[in-house]
Amino acid sequence: EDQVTQSPEALRLQEGESSSLNCSYTVSGLRGLFWYRQDPGKGPEFLFTLYSAGEEKEKERLKATLTKKESFLHITAPKPEDSATYLCAVRSGGSNYKLTFGKGTLLTVNP
Amino acid sequence: GAVVSQHPSWVICKSGTSVKIECRSLDFQATTMFWYRQFPKQSLMLMATSNEGSKATYEQGVEKDKFLINHASLTLSTLTVTSAHPEDSSFYICSARGRSGSGVYEQYFGPGTRLTVT
Repeated sequence: EDQVTQSPEALRLQEGESSSLNCSYTVSGLRGLFWYRQDPGKGPEFLFTLYSAGEEKEKERLKATLTKKESFLHITAPKPEDSATYLCAVRSGGSNYKLTFGKGTLLTVNP
Repeated sequence: GAVVSQHPSWVICKSGTSVKIECRSLDFQATTMFWYRQFPKQSLMLMATSNEGSKATYEQGVEKDKFLINHASLTLSTLTVTSAHPEDSSFYICSARGRSGSGVYEQYFGPGTRLTVT
């Protein structure tokens, strides 16, 4: 059974204070690791997909990296508008595109 | 591109009644759609996967007779919660697998529907 563990559960940063969110996973045949952003009362917004260890992707202040056991979402010089819950999900082989999600990290960036 | 809509965004119904939630892919065709539910401060739990024109595949523990899913076209899937009870109150989110303007095939999520059963 695929498992995803995200840490920390919550993170408070000051504006401009860079940090990283962790996503550890156990999956049989990784077919993709996904990062989403979710604002309160909204559906998840797609950020990145990573497919193989060593892969990195960037978007504005966010950078996602992947190893064989975990992924990091690095946030550089965050702004208050980056405050949200960040969800990590994995897809395994033969899963009909089923995603298994972690519980998320609630990020709060104070001005 | 790759926009998914849901209707209604919130609904309140009485215990014992049924409620239908619509999920539409607005600018792409989705052969596969997914229904999730999310409890407060919890992650998304997949309920079922539906492929256009065929029966939905339900996850273990999800009652298929209670949560009826219809995927009649490449842009529309519906979830009907039958004989709703207060424990069915939750945030229901659909997603559709499609291609964005940049050509990337991924799952794109709708904005969610907040169901409250009184």
